[in-house]
Amino acid sequence: DVKVTQSSRYLVKRTGEKVFLECVQDMDHENMFWYRQDPGLGLRLIYFSYDVKMKEKGDIPEGYSVSREKKERFSLILESASTNQTSMYLCASSLGRPGNTIYFGEGSWLTVV
Amino acid sequence: AQKITQTQPGMFVQEKEAVTLDCTYDTSDPSYGLFWYKQPSSGEMIFLIYQGSYDQQNATEGRYSLNFQKARKSANLVISASQLGDSAMYFCAMREGWGGGGNKLTFGTGTQLKVEL
Repeated sequence: DVKVTQSSRYLVKRTGEKVFLECVQDMDHENMFWYRQDPGLGLRLIYFSYDVKMKEKGDIPEGYSVSREKKERFSLILESASTNQTSMYLCASSLGRPGNTIYFGEGSWLTVV
Repeated sequence: AQKITQTQPGMFVQEKEAVTLDCTYDTSDPSYGLFWYKQPSSGEMIFLIYQGSYDQQNATEGRYSLNFQKARKSANLVISASQLGDSAMYFCAMREGWGGGGNKLTFGTGTQLKVEL
């Protein structure tokens, strides 16, 4: 069965902390994505990766970075968390060829206080 | 300009009735795909149905069908025989192009569907 696992479902962090959100997929997918979801705004793409060590900015990359050292793992990093980064974060993955289904993890609810 | 527009923030439907969730899109790329996802209150995104821009027939998956009107740039989701478990947020999304990061999705703002007895 398809599995995208996000390491933490609920996190509370302080302003200025460095935050790591981890995502692992077990489907040997080339593509991995990080989205942010906010009420009334839908899902917005932060970063995506189409191969190990490859990454591209999405629509809202400011304040975030990513790391993909292994094919199955894609990490989202908030270098210095701010309250406006309080949100739901969703990781997703897919095979490399467009048109393939994109599978999502269960989401990580991050609160920055 | 919005690439994906969902104009219904909330919808109510009675159990066993059919419901249509609206989605319009904007792209100049001849090659694109349209997706619908369901998000229950637990948060996970569940893939429902996919329509490619070159597909001749409307996509169907069980009780879900996609009413694809290319000239109007609309891709409405039709859920037949609604069930209480269909209560969720529904997102329409689009993929444009085929190269490089061609599997990126752009999402609409979602429609919250509530199925009532």
